[in-house]
Amino acid sequence: GENVEQHPSTLSVQEGDSAVIKCTYSDSASNYFPWYKQELGKGPQLIIDIRSNVGEKKDQRIAVTLNKTAKHFSLHITETQPEDSAVYFCAASMWGGQGAQKLVFGQGTRLTINP
Amino acid sequence: IAGITQAPTSQILAAGRRMTLRCTQDMRHNAMYWYRQDLGLGLRLIHYSNTAGTTGKGEVPDGYSVSRANTDDFPLTLASAVPSQTSVYFCASKPLAGGTGELFFGEGSRLTVL
Repeated sequence: GENVEQHPSTLSVQEGDSAVIKCTYSDSASNYFPWYKQELGKGPQLIIDIRSNVGEKKDQRIAVTLNKTAKHFSLHITETQPEDSAVYFCAASMWGGQGAQKLVFGQGTRLTINP
Repeated sequence: IAGITQAPTSQILAAGRRMTLRCTQDMRHNAMYWYRQDLGLGLRLIHYSNTAGTTGKGEVPDGYSVSRANTDDFPLTLASAVPSQTSVYFCASKPLAGGTGELFFGEGSRLTVL
C-alpha cells in the first residue's frame, strides 16, 4: 500500500520568510496530493491540492510542486504570517476509481512563525 | 450549516470498557471516514464507508468497529478499550461524485484509556 513520509517534523521560521515542507510517496499509481492545515484544537482543513497532470499549483502565498518521477511533492509558503502557525499534513491517494479515495497522510509538520 | 459533529469532545475511559464515538454530518456526503491522530504518526485511517450500508477497513482497524445505517451517521465503537487506543479521533466525510476531493473533518474526540 501507499506510504507517505513528511519532513521536517518541526519547522520554525521568521515572520516574512518562506517555509518549505517536503513529502515523498511510494505508490506510483497515486495521482492526487492534498495538503491540510490543522490549527490547535481543530480538525484538519484542506488548503491546496494538486493532481498528477500538473507540476505546480499556486494560491496566493501557497504553492505546491510535484515531481512524479521522483515521487515527491512540496508545500511552499511565502511571506509567512503568524496565522500560518499550525500543523500541516501532506497526503496521497488515487483519484477516482473503485470506492472512495483513501487518503494516506504524512506524519505532520508543526510550523511556528516567529514574530 | 453544522458540517460534521462529533461527540463526545473528550472522554476518559477505564480499560476494558465499551465506548462509542458518535459522528453526524448534515452535508449528505456519501463517504465517511474515521481517523486516529497520534503524535509523530499523523492521521491513520481506521474504517471508512462509501455509502450507507457498506463499510471497509483502513490501515489500523483492529479493536474498532463501525456501522453505517444511514447517510448521516457513522459511529465508531471500541468493544473493549485498551490504553493503546488513547488518541484523538477524527471523523471526516466527502461526496463521492462531483466533489473536489476535499475531506471535511469534525473537530475531534480526545479519548484517554487508563
